[in-house]
Amino acid sequence: QSALTQPASVSGSPGQSITISCTGISTDIGAEDLVSWYQHHPDKTPKLLIYDVNKWPSGVSSRFSGSKSGNTASLTISALQAEDEAVYYCCSFVLPRSWVFGGGTKVTVL
Amino acid sequence: QAQMMQSGAEMKKPGASVMVSCQTSGYSFTDFFLNWVRQAPGHGLEWMGRINPHSGVSNFAQKFQGRVTLTRDTSTTTAYMQLDGLRFNDTAVYYCVSGGNAFDYWGQGTLITVSS
Repeated sequence: QSALTQPASVSGSPGQSITISCTGISTDIGAEDLVSWYQHHPDKTPKLLIYDVNKWPSGVSSRFSGSKSGNTASLTISALQAEDEAVYYCCSFVLPRSWVFGGGTKVTVL
Repeated sequence: QAQMMQSGAEMKKPGASVMVSCQTSGYSFTDFFLNWVRQAPGHGLEWMGRINPHSGVSNFAQKFQGRVTLTRDTSTTTAYMQLDGLRFNDTAVYYCVSGGNAFDYWGQGTLITVSS
């Protein structure tokens, strides 16, 4: 199972919106609505931001939103803030019964 | 609030085995899969496998099949990951993670260093 494809880096200025793509295939992202996104700051544990493509866990800001079209999922961060600077990972369920992460996208706030 | 407490860092020689424990609390242990995810230095997150704490049945990423054993003790709500035949590139932080449709609650991570 190959990792999902994410851009290595994305940048934006404070207040702007950015979108991170995550491309898979028909047996992972395209198969089920089981895509999640994680924020990972250095020396911290990853944090769940989005699950089931576009749902928020309790306590996560609505500035983070998710979507999916075909074999590609996306995470949009609105009103970018300095604290959003981190590495972001997508993750998808893979038929029949495993999971795969994307390679990670480093977000830089200019 | 779910909590996952992992065992401490270890240094192992190539070819050896390592076992990492993950003691859970604050949720119903048998209701959610217990996954293992690792991150090697300079690399991204990698899903290794999961165990159904209720049934004891495990699933693995293909690259770890045959080299990873997942077990659990329902009486102590603790999960275990054993990795055999350690190689230099198994040096990584290993996380236990519980969740249903996603990886909700993460342990603090256990650094396993493989060095001769």
